[in-house]
Amino acid sequence: NAGVTQTPKFRILKIGQSMTLQCTQDMNHNYMYWYRQDPGMGLKLIYYSVGAGITDKGEVPNGYNVSRSTTEDFPLRLELAAPSQTSVYFCASSYSSVGAGNTIYFGEGSWLTVV
Amino acid sequence: DAKTTQPPSMDCAEGRAANLPCNHSTISGNEYVYWYRQIHSQGPQYIIHGLKNNETNEMASLIITEDRKSSTLILPHATLRDTAVYYCIVRLATGNQFYFGTGTSLTVIP
Repeated sequence: NAGVTQTPKFRILKIGQSMTLQCTQDMNHNYMYWYRQDPGMGLKLIYYSVGAGITDKGEVPNGYNVSRSTTEDFPLRLELAAPSQTSVYFCASSYSSVGAGNTIYFGEGSWLTVV
Repeated sequence: DAKTTQPPSMDCAEGRAANLPCNHSTISGNEYVYWYRQIHSQGPQYIIHGLKNNETNEMASLIITEDRKSSTLILPHATLRDTAVYYCIVRLATGNQFYFGTGTSLTVIP
């Protein structure tokens, strides 16, 4: 299994540009997440989804949008890129939260620089 | 979800046990303690989790105090490859979100 796959791995954007970070998982997980990590900081939850067609805001959703049309895919959209969105973005997924001990699996990260 | 408090950094000699503490004084009865680690520039990696009892797996041991207000992650024989940021997370079994703090940066010294 590939696990959680993110693309692109690196991207430079100009202020005001838009782009989509792609994320796909092949583990049939219901739950998917997007986090951002600024240098020297912990991960902040941007958006999450508990299943196809359902999304919800995390800690830092402003400036981002998501959609979940299939179980496998959870793209993150930046509409008007700002320098404050320069960060490393991690996509993650997990099994249904029913029951205990459902661990979360991360992708390798996408490095985004806005100039 | 309850918040956690961890020291920002720790050192450990190679081959010795690394003991990483975590305080979660507001934890509720149905919240689990999870530990993840993040090696530089990689996605976080699951280590271990527990509710009340101490847990052990091939990577580490988790010791949870009887009142569940704190826990310790133990890496029994630290190696240089264990140098990473370690995150202690408390979440409901049926919760949807994992909230990460700033973690403990562990440096294993040769």
